[in-house]
Amino acid sequence: AQKVTQAQTEISVVEKEDVTLDCVYETRDTTYYLFWYKQPPSGELVFLIRRNSFDEQNEISGRYSWNFQKSTSSFNFTITASQVVDSAVYFCALSEARDDKIIFGKGTRLHILP
Amino acid sequence: DTGVSQDPRHKITKRGQNVTFRCDPISEHNRLYWYRQTLGQGPEFLTYFQNEAQLEKSRLLSDRFSAERPKGSFSTLEIQRTEQGDSAMYLCASSLEPEMNTEAFFGQGTRLTVV
Repeated sequence: AQKVTQAQTEISVVEKEDVTLDCVYETRDTTYYLFWYKQPPSGELVFLIRRNSFDEQNEISGRYSWNFQKSTSSFNFTITASQVVDSAVYFCALSEARDDKIIFGKGTRLHILP
Repeated sequence: DTGVSQDPRHKITKRGQNVTFRCDPISEHNRLYWYRQTLGQGPEFLTYFQNEAQLEKSRLLSDRFSAERPKGSFSTLEIQRTEQGDSAMYLCASSLEPEMNTEAFFGQGTRLTVV
């Protein structure tokens, strides 16, 4: 069965600090996809990134970076030099290739304090 | 195209009443998904459509819930005889690729409150 665990329920950091959001997943498939979504107070889920299980290369996009490690079944998300606008709930998610739906973790609420 | 649109954004209803939500996906998207999100939880899959065909329903979708996508464009989600436990955010998503695991675009959701 597929499962996503985000152990950090809530994190608060002061603006300009770096912050890492943890994500651990479980799957029996060898082919799967991992996602991160951002949910600001408006409620809409905003897609941030998708990685497939065959691509362990870390990715950087501006202040955002993702560390995918199959050995530990983790897909962690780091925000560098955080800003108040980064305050939101962040969801890690998993989709198995044989399935057509995304399974979400419970999310991490991130507070960036000015 | 302005993205996935959901209507209404908020709905307050009395227990026992029926409610219907609408989702307009991105126009060329053939896949449409419904999710439910309760406070402090991640979105939970309810059902999805490939064009007008409903391909999968979660066990979360009780007999009081029904979803349609009659012409393969917009979709409706109806809840009959609402219960307080139905209070949640109902999210719709759509995707173009045959498989959702490429990228899905979500709407802003309909927040249902059953009193």
